[in-house]
Amino acid sequence: NAGVTQTPKFRVLKTGQSMTLLCAQDMNHEYMYWYRQDPGMGLRLIHYSVGEGTTAKGEVPDGYNVSRLKKQNFLLGLESAAPSQTSVYFCASSPTGGIANYGYTFGSGTRLTVV
Amino acid sequence: EDQVTQSPEALRLQEGESSSLNCSYTVSGLRGLFWYRQDPGKGPEFLFTLYSAGEEKEKERLKATLTKKESFLHITAPKPEDSATYLCAVQASGSARQLTFGSGTQLTVLP
Repeated sequence: NAGVTQTPKFRVLKTGQSMTLLCAQDMNHEYMYWYRQDPGMGLRLIHYSVGEGTTAKGEVPDGYNVSRLKKQNFLLGLESAAPSQTSVYFCASSPTGGIANYGYTFGSGTRLTVV
Repeated sequence: EDQVTQSPEALRLQEGESSSLNCSYTVSGLRGLFWYRQDPGKGPEFLFTLYSAGEEKEKERLKATLTKKESFLHITAPKPEDSATYLCAVQASGSARQLTFGSGTQLTVLP
C-alpha cells in the first residue's frame, strides 16, 4: 500500500517555464490537497478537491492551477514559474469520514527551485 | 482568519529531559486540533486529534492536551529518536476539512 505518491521529488525550473506536479493516492480518499511549505511560514493551502471533478482555491492559489480528472490523482500546474514559487510542495489526502482518527495522509514532497 | 502560533521555534533537550511544546490558536469554531510529526525530507505524519477543552491523548512518550485557546504537546523522558519538527494544525467548523498549520517547533534531543 503506497499511500500518497508525489512525482517528481526534485525539480529545477527557469523563470517562465511551466510544469505539472503529480499526486496519486491508492486509499480511495475523497479529499485531496496541495500545500506549500516555506521556512518559518508553515504549510499553506494552495488548492483542494472534495471529489473527482471538483477543485477549490485555498489560501495561496495565485500562479497555480489544479485538476482532478480521476479520483486517485490530483495535479498541480505552474503555468509560468516565478522565483517566489520556490518551495517544498506537499500533497495530502483524507477520507470522507475518519479524518479525526487518521488526519491527512501526506506524500513525501516535491522540492522545487525556480531560478 | 484562523491563526496558529507555535512556540518555541526550536528546542534542544538532553535525553530524558521532559518538556512541553505550545500551540496557541484562534479559529472561528474549532472542529479539531491536530498534531503532526515531520522528519527532515519527509511529509508530516499524523499523531493526534483533539476536539474539546480538557481532552488528552497519549502515544508513547507524547501527551497532547487542549484548552480553549491552546494545546500542549508534553514529551516525557525524550529519546534522540523523538527529534523532529512538531506541527500543530486546526480545522474550523464548516471547512471542507482544510487545516491551518503553525510553523512548527524543531525538537532536538541530544544523547
